[in-house]
Amino acid sequence: GNSVTQMEGPVTLSEEAFLTINCTYTATGYPSLFWYVQYPGEGLQLLLKATKADDKGSNKGFEATYRKETTSFHLEKGSVQVSDSAVYFCALSENAGKSTFGDGTTLTVKP
Amino acid sequence: DTAVSQTPKYLVTQMGNDKSIKCEQNLGHDTMYWYKQDSKKFLKIMFSYNNKELIINETVPNRFSPKSPDKAHLNLHINSLELGDSAVYFCASSQDPSGNTDTQYFGPGTRLTVL
Repeated sequence: GNSVTQMEGPVTLSEEAFLTINCTYTATGYPSLFWYVQYPGEGLQLLLKATKADDKGSNKGFEATYRKETTSFHLEKGSVQVSDSAVYFCALSENAGKSTFGDGTTLTVKP
Repeated sequence: DTAVSQTPKYLVTQMGNDKSIKCEQNLGHDTMYWYKQDSKKFLKIMFSYNNKELIINETVPNRFSPKSPDKAHLNLHINSLELGDSAVYFCASSQDPSGNTDTQYFGPGTRLTVL
């Protein structure tokens, strides 16, 4: 079956540091890949997505590139802010009506 | 104005009680979901409905019963609540599950505490 493995947290960074959260996946077909973000006390919301190999999703300074050869979709940001503190979920969608989520990575950014 | 709303936001109850959580979406989406998030933030899909029909039913105790009166609503009823049911429950919706590019839109969550 499908699965998503993402970097274990928690991750703690200083403001303006570079962020990478690793995500790899296994899927039988050609999934779409997503990063969702969950701010404290809220539901998940889409951060970015990519629907085919070599696509790059980007939003709010975050980027991730769909790498089919390494089955990866790593999340990066050049300079994090305190307001980026949240839980980040990598996910894939292949079968109708079902997405597979990673276990989430908690990011804390300190001033 | 809220896209996906859930009530109540907090629910505290005793073991053995029966409770319901309601979810409504005003996005015109065809598919709705229920997820359970535990204290470690792990997210697990429970059910999904497409146009009021059940399409995903993961391994969930049959004490949990979803009900979709129309495609804008998906309620979750839980019988005989147990301590292990304590979690945050999220409702979500998406436009069209027939493709794989669907973004899911999540509600704010319902924090259930069973004492």
